[in-house]
Amino acid sequence: AQSVTQPDIHITVSEGASLELRCNYSYGATPYLFWYVQSPGQGLQLLLKYFSGDTLVQGIKGFEAEFKRSQSSFNLRKPSVHWSDAAEYFCAVATSASKIIFGSGTRLSIRP
Amino acid sequence: DGGITQSPKYLFRKEGQNVTLSCEQNLNHDAMYWYRQDPGQGLRLIYYSQIVNDFQKGDIAEGYSVSREKKESFPLTVTSAQKNPTAFYLCASSTSLPGVSGEQFFGPGTRLTVL
Repeated sequence: AQSVTQPDIHITVSEGASLELRCNYSYGATPYLFWYVQSPGQGLQLLLKYFSGDTLVQGIKGFEAEFKRSQSSFNLRKPSVHWSDAAEYFCAVATSASKIIFGSGTRLSIRP
Repeated sequence: DGGITQSPKYLFRKEGQNVTLSCEQNLNHDAMYWYRQDPGQGLRLIYYSQIVNDFQKGDIAEGYSVSREKKESFPLTVTSAQKNPTAFYLCASSTSLPGVSGEQFFGPGTRLTVL
């Protein structure tokens, strides 16, 4: 069965430090992968997506993610976090053109 | 600007009452979705619709109902049969053209509280 695992429930990093949020997926075919961000009480905003081609994808707000088929991973990275990056981050995989499975999310806190 | 609107932002309901959450999109998307979000549980799919006048149950459809009479609108009714309806509800839409990724666009959400 298809699934998405985000092993870190909560991460705290210092402002200016680098960030990596982990995501592992289980899907038999070539996946379409996404990272979304959610601020408290708000909807989800798409950060970036991977369909095919270059395995390193760039997104908005300085985020990037790397697709590693051998590890079934799609980790999200940012070289230097800002206080405004504090939010919840969701990794997701599209199982068809009409359905997406979401991970349980990683809450990011920023230490001043 | 194109987007998805949900209303109201906050909704309070007494136990035993049905309540309807609104979702409207002007993105010309065929597919629409309703998710429920609880702390620490991510998003769970309630219902989805790929075309007008058709919809399918998601993972947690019990106690909920939907309709899709217009392409732009996909209202969700939380019935009295839903045992624990207090949650944050998110509506989303996507194109469902073949070969397209299925990226979903989200509304701002409705927080439902049962008193």
